[in-house]
Amino acid sequence: QKEVEQDPGPLSVPEGAIVSLNCTYSNSAFQYFMWYRQYSRKGPELLMYTYSSGNKEDGRFTAQVDKSSKYISLFIRDSQPSDSATYLCAMMSPNSKLTFGKGITLSVRP
Amino acid sequence: DADVTQTPRNRITKTGKRIMLECSQTKGHDRMYWYRQDPGLGLRLIYYSFDVKDINKGEISDGYSVSRQAQAKFSLSLESAIPNQTALYFCATSEGRVVGGGAGELFFGEGSRLTVL
Repeated sequence: QKEVEQDPGPLSVPEGAIVSLNCTYSNSAFQYFMWYRQYSRKGPELLMYTYSSGNKEDGRFTAQVDKSSKYISLFIRDSQPSDSATYLCAMMSPNSKLTFGKGITLSVRP
Repeated sequence: DADVTQTPRNRITKTGKRIMLECSQTKGHDRMYWYRQDPGLGLRLIYYSFDVKDINKGEISDGYSVSRQAQAKFSLSLESAIPNQTALYFCATSEGRVVGGGAGELFFGEGSRLTVL
């Protein structure tokens, strides 16, 4: 079992839809949980991070972590065409090693 | 100007050729990284450096070497390129210490697309 599993996608939704992106993990030592967004022909950029179970909101984005189930999610409300990108989950262990999911490509149709 | 600059952005080469990808940063970060990204495989760490004298192998270092010429410069070399090294390569930097919300944040360059024929 890989340390981090991410839904493979791709995912296509209409503008205004609620999007749910998910990752599961097997390493209970992971402490920090992040979502990176990567636009076409660009490097990934940190979108959100959290280090505890629960929800964290930032505008239309909500990051959710459930450590008991080893499951993290990113929700996008009122999705926009500008949200079209590849989203990568990432998790960091106490020794600062960062492990990425494979990424899921999201397309928001106008 | 970009904080993390990679050159070249695109390169096509032939099997057996030596290739160097260069990375420079103006963020003042101590830590620098080289990743490769392949469809279906995600981002995989090749090498990382926590300072000029500290270089470490990542999960897929075979066939690659690196040089940290200065705090701001970190280059990746393929001594004898092979077709399965065709990929998108990213350089990244991070702060040397875990500071609250900065934990784990990597700052990526725009990538170098390498094709080995």
